This record gives sequence, structure tokens and C-alpha cells, in this order.
Amino acid sequence: EAQVTQNPRYLITVTGKKLTVTCSQNMNHEYMSWYRQDPGLGLRQIYYSMNVEVTDKGDVPEGYKVSRKEKRNFPLILESPSPNQTSLYFCASSHSGRVGVQDTQYFGPGTRLTVL
Amino acid sequence: AQTVTQSQPEMSVQEAETVTLSCTYDTSESDYYLFWYKQPPSRQMILVIRQEAYKQQNATENRFSVNFQKAAKSFSLKISDSQLGDAAMYFCAYRSKNRDDKIIFGKGTRLHILP
Repeated sequence: EAQVTQNPRYLITVTGKKLTVTCSQNMNHEYMSWYRQDPGLGLRQIYYSMNVEVTDKGDVPEGYKVSRKEKRNFPLILESPSPNQTSLYFCASSHSGRVGVQDTQYFGPGTRLTVL
Repeated sequence: AQTVTQSQPEMSVQEAETVTLSCTYDTSESDYYLFWYKQPPSRQMILVIRQEAYKQQNATENRFSVNFQKAAKSFSLKISDSQLGDAAMYFCAYRSKNRDDKIIFGKGTRLHILP
């Protein structure tokens, strides 16, 4: 089954304790992206990746890191989480970010993160 | 910079009736994609419908259709014969064809279906 998976689905942590949210897709997609969703703000892009070893900042990258060592995986790293990073996080992928190519994004199930 | 605006934070519709969710956007580009995504209580993000700007014909997917007005930069979603399972948050989104990066989302419209 074609899908985007995220782990964990729910996480409660404390300020300053490093954490990683994993994202994996099995569709051989080149483009992957992380979003956070907050009430009244919709979805805002954190980071995206056009392909392996290529990553770029989105609208709200502060406090986050990503890596793209393999095509299928795009982990989101919070080196020192803070309460303002409490949010619902979505990973998404699409076939390509290239111009003119089919680019409908497929979303993972979301990760609810609470930072105390 | 491109922006997407959904001016209706919440809407309600009677079951089996028709409802229209509005979306406007701002861009200087001529070719792009527009999307409607549905987010039910499960929090999944599900693609509802997609429109390419250069196509004049409005996209349709079963009970879902769009009214795409390119000159007015408007992209409304019409849901016919509303069902209880349509209750969700709906997001309008824009993606450039000329820039290989992000999709821009509106803030969403929460749709309630009244039995």
C-alpha cells in the first residue's frame, strides 16, 4: 500500500530534550516536506527536500533540523524543544517538485507533539 | 509572495443540501496548481480535488466540484448532497509551477453537517 508513515504518532516531552520524528514514504517520491499545524494558522511549511541531500527552509524553520540521506526517509529533528513547538506535525511527499510534473502531495497521519 | 485566503472559519449545512466554501488567492504567476484538502477528525490530510490553472474546465470529483475564476483569483469548492462524513476542516492550497518548492495553505474552513 502506498503511504507516508510517521512515528511516533503522539509524543509528550520536556523542554530541551532532543527528539526525532521519523517520516518514511514507499512511493519513490523525490519531494518531501514537513508542516506544522496550529489553530488559526493553518499549515505552515518547516522544511522541504527536493531530493536526496537537498533540503531547504520553509516558512518556519527556526528550532528544527532535517536530513535526507535516503530517498524514502525525511526525519524532523528538534535539538532543544521548547513549548512553542507544541503542535501537530505532518510529513508529506510528492512525485517531484520539478516544474510541470505531477505534484499532488500525500500526507502522513500526523504527529501530535507536546513540549512541557 | 503568494497568499491564500479562506474567509469563512466555520460553516454549517443541512445534510443532503449543497454548500460552497470560498477561497481566494494572490499571485503574479500565470500557471499554477490549486488544491482542496479535507482534514476529518482523524487528522489525516486527504486530497479532495485539484485544478491546473491553464485548464479552463472546472475540476469535478463525484459530489465535489470547483468554481475556478482565474481572473478573479477565486477557487471555491462546492459539495453537493452533503453527507455526515463530509464534516471536516477544509484547506485550500496553492502551488506554483514555476517555483519548485512549497505549497501555500489557507487557514481552513471547518464544515459542520447538520442531520
